[in-house]
Amino acid sequence: EDKVVQSPLSLVVHEGDTVTLNCSYEVTNFRSLLWYKQEKKAPTFLFMLTSSGIEKKSGRLSSILDKKELFSILNITATQTGDSAIYLCAVEAPGNTPLVFGKGTRLSVIA
Amino acid sequence: NAGVMQNPRHLVRRRGQEARLRCSPMKGHSHVYWYRQLPEEGLKFMVYLQKENIIDESGMPKERFSAEFPKEGPSILRIQQVVRGDSAAYFCASSPSGSAKNIQYFGAGTRLSVL
Repeated sequence: EDKVVQSPLSLVVHEGDTVTLNCSYEVTNFRSLLWYKQEKKAPTFLFMLTSSGIEKKSGRLSSILDKKELFSILNITATQTGDSAIYLCAVEAPGNTPLVFGKGTRLSVIA
Repeated sequence: NAGVMQNPRHLVRRRGQEARLRCSPMKGHSHVYWYRQLPEEGLKFMVYLQKENIIDESGMPKERFSAEFPKEGPSILRIQQVVRGDSAAYFCASSPSGSAKNIQYFGAGTRLSVL
């Protein structure tokens, strides 16, 4: 059975800190890994990763995939209170298969 | 371009009643997915539909739950004879066809409370 494990489950940091969120997976015929940010509404798409070693970057957020070790990390630098959210990791196999989500990491950034 | 629209945002039902959750995908998207989220849990896949077709319903309970995506109108997730355990947030996502199909865009969800 395909599995996605995120760690830590929750994290509290101060504004300005840098955080690293982890996502490991076991999936047959891996195709892509996606990161979403979920506040009190719709999960919003952050990144899609398909190739190892290529960093995706958007502002203070960046992510990278390691297909050999089967994990991805999401980095957030200079955190702000607006970064407080649940960060979801999901993986996809080829074909008409659904995304498999981890339980998420709840990040709280305090002033 | 409006995002994925779900309604209602909140739905309260008594045990035994029916719940109907609606999802209008983003314009141009032909793939719709329904997920359920329990507190402190990740999103659990329920069903994947294209217009007029159910592609994968492996995550949907065999009884009381059904889904459709008609040629015209929104996708509907229907839960008959609801029980307290059905209380959850139900999210709909849509994606375009082709190579970008695996990027799913989510609606704000419907929070179902069963009394």
